[in-house]
Amino acid sequence: DTGVSQNPRHKITKRGQNVTFRCDPISEHNRLYWYRQTLGQGPEFLTYFQNEAQLEKSRLLSDRFSAERPKGSFSTLEIQRTEQGDSAMYLCASSLGLLGRLFFGSGTQLSVL
Amino acid sequence: AQSVTQLDSHVSVSEGTPVLLRCNYSSSYSPSLFWYVQHPNKGLQLLLKYTSAATLVKGINGFEAEFKKSETSFHLTKPSAHMSDAAEYFCVVKESGTYKYIFGTGTRLKVLA
Repeated sequence: DTGVSQNPRHKITKRGQNVTFRCDPISEHNRLYWYRQTLGQGPEFLTYFQNEAQLEKSRLLSDRFSAERPKGSFSTLEIQRTEQGDSAMYLCASSLGLLGRLFFGSGTQLSVL
Repeated sequence: AQSVTQLDSHVSVSEGTPVLLRCNYSSSYSPSLFWYVQHPNKGLQLLLKYTSAATLVKGINGFEAEFKKSETSFHLTKPSAHMSDAAEYFCVVKESGTYKYIFGTGTRLKVLA
């Protein structure tokens, strides 16, 4: 399968714990996005990478959230000191070029107890 | 800031009848607009995109959308619904000057036998 891969598929954690998600984009795609989706809502933009550079972050993203994309390949999204309000589906997408089609992974469903 | 408004949260149609999913956008500039579909337990998939070429855009699976600047609309249509069209549909605008794709709140399409 050469699509966007996200791991884990599901994560259950206790409030206050740290969690890390991984995204492997399509190999030749230089653009990578993280989105968050809650039930009944559309995906909400979190952050954007072009190659290894993080070029944009949502103002809604608290400092508990951090993302990296070392060497412009896979990306990780870490949430520190999780809160119940962080419970959501975290989606990763990659694309090639400006206005290129976004290819989405299946997401990581986070539940914070 | 640019945004999209999906006018219906739920739409039900009978199999074989036309589909209309409505989307209005707000933008000071000529926008780039997209429709994505999300089937249960599957990743988001691009249906079609408008990027200032032809105003009538054809997509996959028989869907099409018409960009109407005077009405600031980008409604999605299909002449004849199929059971497999049942899914959540998102209207999306690419915010100019940023890397963000802004998603609407979604329209859940139900197709009745």
